Amino acid sequence: GQQLNQSPQSMFIQEGEDVSMNCTSSSIFNTWLWYKQDPGEGPVLLIALYKAGELTSNGRLTAQFGITRKDSFLNISASIPSDVGIYFCAGQRGNNDMRFGAGTRLTVKP
Amino acid sequence: DTAVSQTPKYLVTQMGNDKSIKCEQNLGHDTMYWYKQDSKKFLKIMFSYNNKELIINETVPNRFSPKSPDKAHLNLHINSLELGDSAVYFCASSPIGSPLHFGNGTRLTVT
Repeated sequence: GQQLNQSPQSMFIQEGEDVSMNCTSSSIFNTWLWYKQDPGEGPVLLIALYKAGELTSNGRLTAQFGITRKDSFLNISASIPSDVGIYFCAGQRGNNDMRFGAGTRLTVKP
Repeated sequence: DTAVSQTPKYLVTQMGNDKSIKCEQNLGHDTMYWYKQDSKKFLKIMFSYNNKELIINETVPNRFSPKSPDKAHLNLHINSLELGDSAVYFCASSPIGSPLHFGNGTRLTVT
């Protein structure tokens, strides 16, 4: 299946810092999504993007759907300890086929 | 609570055994999925069902057989378990063309 390249693989930051992660693909997607996974739980949807160029915010989170439809980024501003977890990008095509990036493991030091 | 629920949460078994994981969603979604998450946390789609009909079947050994008795349930049966089957298996559901809602996973350990 199509590959999503997510970077960075991991980040170690200080509380209060801003975070940026991104996802690229060789394929076009109709929808880009960002999920967060806490230990022992399933991924939870943070932001969904449906149109090329779309910029959407959810609290301290901001994500953008790349204009080429082959990439997306997620920014987290003013990080806090509970932001710790694994963040996944996902690309969805029209047939309910959703592919995930390899995840960005975020560690926030108080 | 509206949710995707899967059982059991933990499953420890020996090589060669047959086991099943159950999944139920009460969200009224038409599509259900099984994903496998390996030790490196990579999420890989295995199967997708839409209204009880198989629509995605990735390159998964035929020891894995999904069964959907109705659109609210998608169970995963695994025959002749192997060490490499150890992983966390996630069930998910969604309306057509919409983001997925995940269960909390079943951690399968094959010894």
